[in-house]
Amino acid sequence: DVKVTQSSRYLVKRTGEKVFLECVQDMDHENMFWYRQDPGLGLRLIYFSYDVKMKEKGDIPEGYSVSREKKERFSLILESASTNQTSMYLCASSQTGGSYGYTFGSGTRLTVV
Amino acid sequence: QKEVEQNSGPLSVPEGAIASLNCTYSDRGSQSFFWYRQYSGKSPELIMSIYSNGDKEDGRFTAQLNKASQYVSLLIRDSQPSDSATYLCAVRNTGRRALTFGSGTRLQVQP
Repeated sequence: DVKVTQSSRYLVKRTGEKVFLECVQDMDHENMFWYRQDPGLGLRLIYFSYDVKMKEKGDIPEGYSVSREKKERFSLILESASTNQTSMYLCASSQTGGSYGYTFGSGTRLTVV
Repeated sequence: QKEVEQNSGPLSVPEGAIASLNCTYSDRGSQSFFWYRQYSGKSPELIMSIYSNGDKEDGRFTAQLNKASQYVSLLIRDSQPSDSATYLCAVRNTGRRALTFGSGTRLQVQP
């Protein structure tokens, strides 16, 4: 069964901490994505990557960075966590091509206190 | 104007009825359209995709696309309580690798 695995289901971090969210896929997909999901706002794209070491900003990249050193792993970094980054973070991957949808990970619920 | 719009609901239907979920999008050049189901506390899972005008059926689910009206819908026949979830419409806009999601419609199927 194909999988996208997010390393943590729940995280609680303090304001100002550097936070790493990890995502690994075993499907050899070229594309990987980070979204955050908030009530009433839906899923909003933070960053995505279409190849190793390649990345593009999404709609809300401020306060975040990403790293993709290997094809299967895509990390989201909160440089200095703030309370407004409390959210559900969803990682997804897909093959290249317009007809392909996403496979999502199970999500990480991050609370910043 | 939001790029992908959905009525937030809740849409309440009785068990066995047809549930009709609607989505409009603003980018006329969009080519690919997807419906995801998301149970409370879970991540979205893909249930249907559609690329051409008309209907596409898969079991109890039918996706309908009308590009001229910039409208995509999902019909769920013989609705079951287990269909109660939030349904997300997603669109791949022209020239974008990433999908743009609507905020979702919450469906409640009453036993």
